[in-house]
Amino acid sequence: DAGITQSPRYKITETGRQVTLMCHQTWSHSYMFWYRQDLGHGLRLIYYSAAADITDKGEVPDGYVVSRSKTENFPLTLESATRSQTSVYFCASSGGRRGSQYFGPGTRLLVL
Amino acid sequence: QQPVQSPQAVILREGEDAVINCSSSKALYSVHWYRQKHGEAPVFLMILLKGGEQKGHEKISASFNEKKQQSSLYLTASQLSYSGTYFCGTEWGGGADGLTFGKGTHLIIQP
Repeated sequence: DAGITQSPRYKITETGRQVTLMCHQTWSHSYMFWYRQDLGHGLRLIYYSAAADITDKGEVPDGYVVSRSKTENFPLTLESATRSQTSVYFCASSGGRRGSQYFGPGTRLLVL
Repeated sequence: QQPVQSPQAVILREGEDAVINCSSSKALYSVHWYRQKHGEAPVFLMILLKGGEQKGHEKISASFNEKKQQSSLYLTASQLSYSGTYFCGTEWGGGADGLTFGKGTHLIIQP
C-alpha cells in the first residue's frame, strides 16, 4: 500500500535542461496537486488536476507543464530549468474538491 | 492572497499550551491545518468548514471564526512529538481549487 509516491527524490540538473518529476498515487483520488516549497514563501500551488485530462493553473505556473493521461499519474515538467526553480516539490492528492490533501515525500531539485 | 499566520515561531516546555492563528482578508470557505517535520512531507491534521465549527484530534483542536475570517489551532499539554512547522491552508468560496498556504509557524517543544 504505497499511497502517494514521487520520483526522483533528489535531482541535480543544469540551467536550460528539461526535467520531469513523477507523481503516482494508488488511492484513485480524482484531485492531484503540485506545490513548491521555498524558504520564506511556504507552499505555493503550481498546477492541479480535477480528473484525467483536466488540468488548471495555480498560483505559480510559469515555466512548468503538466499532463494527466491516467488518474494515478500526474507528472510535472520543467521545460527549460532555471536557478529560480531550485526548490522542494510536493505532489498531493485528494478524494474530492474540498477534501483533505495527502502529500507525497517530495522531490528536492537543485538547478545549477 | 496568502493567509497570515501568527506567531512565526514559539518555544514551549513540554506540557504547556500553544495557540496558532491563521487570518485571511478574503471570505473563507474552509481552513486546513497541516504539520510538517523537518525534511518530511506535510501531514494533514484537520479541516474546518465555514460555520464556526470546532474540531478536535487528541489534544489538538481548532476553531473557525467566520466573522473574523480566522482560524485558531490549539495544542494542549504539548508533547515533544508536536514539534514541527504548522501550516494553515485556505480555500475561498469562489476561488480555484487547491489551497493557499500561510508561511507557517515553527513550534519547538523542549523537555
